[in-house]
Amino acid sequence: AQSVAQPEDQVNVAEGNPLTVKCTYSVSGNPYLFWYVQYPNRGLQFLLKYITGDNLVKGSYGFEAEFNKSQTSFHLKKPSALVSDSALYFCAVRDGEEALNFGKGTSLLVTP
Amino acid sequence: SAVISQKPSRDICQRGTSLTIQCQVDSQVTMMFWYRQQPGQSLTLIATANQGSEATYESGFVIDKFPISRPNLTFSTLTVSNMSPEDSSIYLCSVPQGPAGGTDTQYFGPGTRLTVL
Repeated sequence: AQSVAQPEDQVNVAEGNPLTVKCTYSVSGNPYLFWYVQYPNRGLQFLLKYITGDNLVKGSYGFEAEFNKSQTSFHLKKPSALVSDSALYFCAVRDGEEALNFGKGTSLLVTP
Repeated sequence: SAVISQKPSRDICQRGTSLTIQCQVDSQVTMMFWYRQQPGQSLTLIATANQGSEATYESGFVIDKFPISRPNLTFSTLTVSNMSPEDSSIYLCSVPQGPAGGTDTQYFGPGTRLTVL
């Protein structure tokens, strides 16, 4: 089965600094990779995806992610963090026809 | 992207009772998914619901506990039966949708937060 791993339970960053949330994947074949964000008491929001093409993928709210095949990674990045970016971030990989397998999630805390 | 609504948004239930969660989509979709997010945990797929066929359940989930209906291409229900406190979770439905009618991205409903006492 396709799977992803998020090695960090929590990431802390000061506002204005760059942020990285890590994700590594284990798949057979070409991966379909996704990042979602979950704000408190709200549903899951789609941020970005990699299916094919450019390794650097740009998404919502200024986030981007870099697909690295040699390192089997798909880290989420943002050049300048905002306090409002504080949320729970999930990396996911498509498994089978359509369903997603999610990582355990990384809590991002951006401090003023 | 699809607009997905769920009812109820939250509920507090007594053990031994059942709750039916509704998921409504503003466009027709072939596949719908139901996920569970236990407190402090990630999302786990419960089942895939295709219109016109029986739902397909993931390992660890059974139809008697989580019966699913899919009467048309815009609506589905998930019932959590004979509830226990371990069923306290957020339940989310999702649909795959992409540009030009593709299905490469899943969009999620706002979730139903269930607490079982």
